Order: sequence, then C-alpha cells, then structure tokens
Amino acid sequence: EVQLLESGGGLVQPGVSLRLTCAASGFTFSSYAMTWVRQAPGKGPECVSVISATGGSTYYVASVRGRFTISRDDSKNRLFLQMNSLRAEDTAVYYCAKVNGLWLSPFDSWGQGTLVTVSS
Amino acid sequence: DIQMTQSPSTLSASIGDRVTITCRASQSVSNWLAWYQQKPGKAPKLLIYKASSLESGVPSRFSGSGSGTEFTLTISSLQPDDFATYYCQQYSSLYTFGQGTTLEIK
Repeated sequence: EVQLLESGGGLVQPGVSLRLTCAASGFTFSSYAMTWVRQAPGKGPECVSVISATGGSTYYVASVRGRFTISRDDSKNRLFLQMNSLRAEDTAVYYCAKVNGLWLSPFDSWGQGTLVTVSS
Repeated sequence: DIQMTQSPSTLSASIGDRVTITCRASQSVSNWLAWYQQKPGKAPKLLIYKASSLESGVPSRFSGSGSGTEFTLTISSLQPDDFATYYCQQYSSLYTFGQGTTLEIK
C-alpha cells in the first residue's frame, strides 16, 4: 500500500524559511515523479512543484519560482520542499503526491497534508 | 498556461440522480485530463484519468468523456458517499486544476 507522510509545516512569520518533508513507502520511489500540491483555504488545488523520477527535471509554478526548491533522496525515499522568503499568500495545506509515471501523468496517491501558515 | 473552467460551481442533487459536471480547457489538452474527488479535510482522490479511464477501485457509476477542450464527469446514480467537491486537472502541459464543483444534497 502506498503511503505518503508529510511533515514540517507550521506557523511562521513572513520572510522566513521552512522545509517540508514527505516520507514515502509502499512503492519503488525512484521510479516515479513526485509533486507538491497546495490548497489555500476554500480554494482549489495548485501544483506548486514537480520533480521527475531521475531528479533531472523540475517545475515550479510562477508564484514560487526562485523561492522554493524541490528535491528528492531516493536512498531514503524522501521528497523535500525548501520554502524561502515565505509570504502570506503561501498559506495553505501542502500535499505530497505520487505522479503515476515519469513526468506528465495524474496524481494517483496523496499524503494527508501539512498546514503552512504564514502570518505576523 | 492552460486554464481549466468547471461548471457549475455548485450542483444540488438527490440520491439516485444522474449528474454531469463539465470542464473546459483554454486550449486543447487532447485526452490528458483527470478528475478528482475531495471530501472536507481530506486529500483529493483520483477517479478518472486519460479523460475516460476509471482508476482502480472507483465505482463504475463514475464515468468520464470528452477530448480536446471539453470534458464531462458523469455519476450515473448518486450515492450518499458521492457528495463532495470534484476537480478536473489537465496534464498535457504541466498541470492545472479547475476551480471545483461542489455537489450538495438537495
């Protein structure tokens, strides 16, 4: 059974950094692209970042480009999202999800999410 | 960027009804279209991929159709567990979700 467990969320002030971690199990982690999807209160999901199965390709939504960095450690089955210069508009539940393939495919398994609140 | 627009935003229906949700893309996404179901406080769940392929374990009352820029999700006979919010997602050019359709009990 695929399991994805996010951690690292919390309440932070604008301008600070936060690192999210997703622990994956139940599948061959290195064979799949992975993604971080966020959902602000009352809004639809937004794909924030994607990393290919090899780690050689990454994508960021325009609003986080240059501030967020996605990475993966296949030896530990971990996915990361380094978030710098956080803004109020980054407040959301952040989900880790497994991409059903190497790159452009739907998201077939999701974690339970971790809440990031950016507020002074 | 490809924009996805769902209609209606809210849909009121009764148990046993047949309901249809529409999703339109701002440009062709071929059949690279998925549908998700989300319940309050939970992560989205994949229902349909490649416009009409049913994800494993999803009841057969759910079906998807369409190609290019117009797509539909149909629930043939609404069950109590189906009242939720539904999102379409294109994965032809990176990823974009629609704004959602909330299915309410009439």
